[in-house]
Amino acid sequence: AQSVTQLDSQVPVFEEAPVELRCNYSSSVSVYLFWYVQYPNQGLQLLLKYLSGSTLVKGINGFEAEFNKSQTSFHLRKPSVHISDTAEYFCAASKAAGNKLTFGGGTRVLVKP
Amino acid sequence: DAGVIQSPRHEVTEMGQEVTLRCKPISGHDYLFWYRQTMMRGLELLIYFNNNVPIDDSGMPEDRFSAKMPNASFSTLKIQPSEPRDSAVYFCASSHLMPTGGRETQYFGPGTRLLVL
Repeated sequence: AQSVTQLDSQVPVFEEAPVELRCNYSSSVSVYLFWYVQYPNQGLQLLLKYLSGSTLVKGINGFEAEFNKSQTSFHLRKPSVHISDTAEYFCAASKAAGNKLTFGGGTRVLVKP
Repeated sequence: DAGVIQSPRHEVTEMGQEVTLRCKPISGHDYLFWYRQTMMRGLELLIYFNNNVPIDDSGMPEDRFSAKMPNASFSTLKIQPSEPRDSAVYFCASSHLMPTGGRETQYFGPGTRLLVL
């Protein structure tokens, strides 16, 4: 079975500071990996995805993530956050040839001025 | 495209009543997913369809829940009878198959916030 673990449930961070959100997955098969963001009272929006190729993936709003197969990780980073980045972030995985997304528990980011 | 459309956005009902949630996927997408989000359980996949056919409903909590997709542009999730523990945000998402055969991104609707009193 596939599982996704987000190690931090909440991450407070000051505006213009860097942030890293950790995500680890477990799977015996090739996976696709995703990061979604959920702003308050809204649906999920895709930030970035890894399907294959370069392990460093760049997404929207200045976010990037690095796929590390040996550590089974897909951590999300942003070098300088804005107040508007306050949201909940979800890591998700699916089998490379599958359809179902398995979500992590989410990490709530609170950006403080 | 308008994206995935869900209605209603908010629903308040009393225990025992029937609730119907609606979803219109993105045009051309052949997969449709229903999720439930709660504080306790996070995001859970309830059921998904491919070309209007239910493929996996193993996440549907119990017989009170049912989902249909009568055509490529419409799906419903029905709860009958509803219970307070069904209170949650229900999301619909759609996607399509990539030319390489892999799964493309799932696009989520804004969700329906359900409160069962």
